[in-house]
Amino acid sequence: DGGITQSPKYLFRKEGQNVTLSCEQNLNHDAMYWYRQDPGQGLRLIYYSQIVNDFQKGDIAEGYSVSREKKESFPLTVTSAQKNPTAFYLCASSTQVGGTEAFFGQGTRLTVV
Amino acid sequence: DAKTTQPPSMDCAEGRAANLPCNHSTISGNEYVYWYRQIHSQGPQYIIHGLKNNETNEMASLIITEDRKSSTLILPHATLRDTAVYYCIAKPSGNTGKLIFGQGTTLQVKP
Repeated sequence: DGGITQSPKYLFRKEGQNVTLSCEQNLNHDAMYWYRQDPGQGLRLIYYSQIVNDFQKGDIAEGYSVSREKKESFPLTVTSAQKNPTAFYLCASSTQVGGTEAFFGQGTRLTVV
Repeated sequence: DAKTTQPPSMDCAEGRAANLPCNHSTISGNEYVYWYRQIHSQGPQYIIHGLKNNETNEMASLIITEDRKSSTLILPHATLRDTAVYYCIAKPSGNTGKLIFGQGTTLQVKP
């Protein structure tokens, strides 16, 4: 089945450690996104990529890094520079053509202790 | 990118139609109106989208005003499983770079 997969579903890390969240899609989508969601809040855009080997900062990119070496994969690294990393992280993908929907993964809940 | 505004919360009785409004007064001519919903602790789910004309699918109907400054998502027979946060988004055509979510409307369907 085609879709977008995030792993793991739950992740625990100690403060000061970098952690990488996985996002893979087999929908042949060009564009991929990472969002952060805090309790009771909407989604905030961290990074997005419209094509392989290119990505752009979203509204809250500080403390995060991404890569887009393959069309199918868009991993997000939460670095130790991110002050409040505990959150729900969502990955999405869509085609480049306007007027099409985005598909979301089921999210990774990161807890930093 | 056009910003959207939605009421923070709404209630609806089970079996009745839920009408969720969205204002997008600064929408440009090539921006589509999208609706997504997010059930607690899950990824958002696409519902419907439109440009100018009203649209209907198996989940909902989308009514866009003639001036395109506002729209209404209609769930014709709301069920308890429709309880979710509903997001209205204006997305640039041909450029999927920034899919921006606002705070959305929390719809509570009550028995």
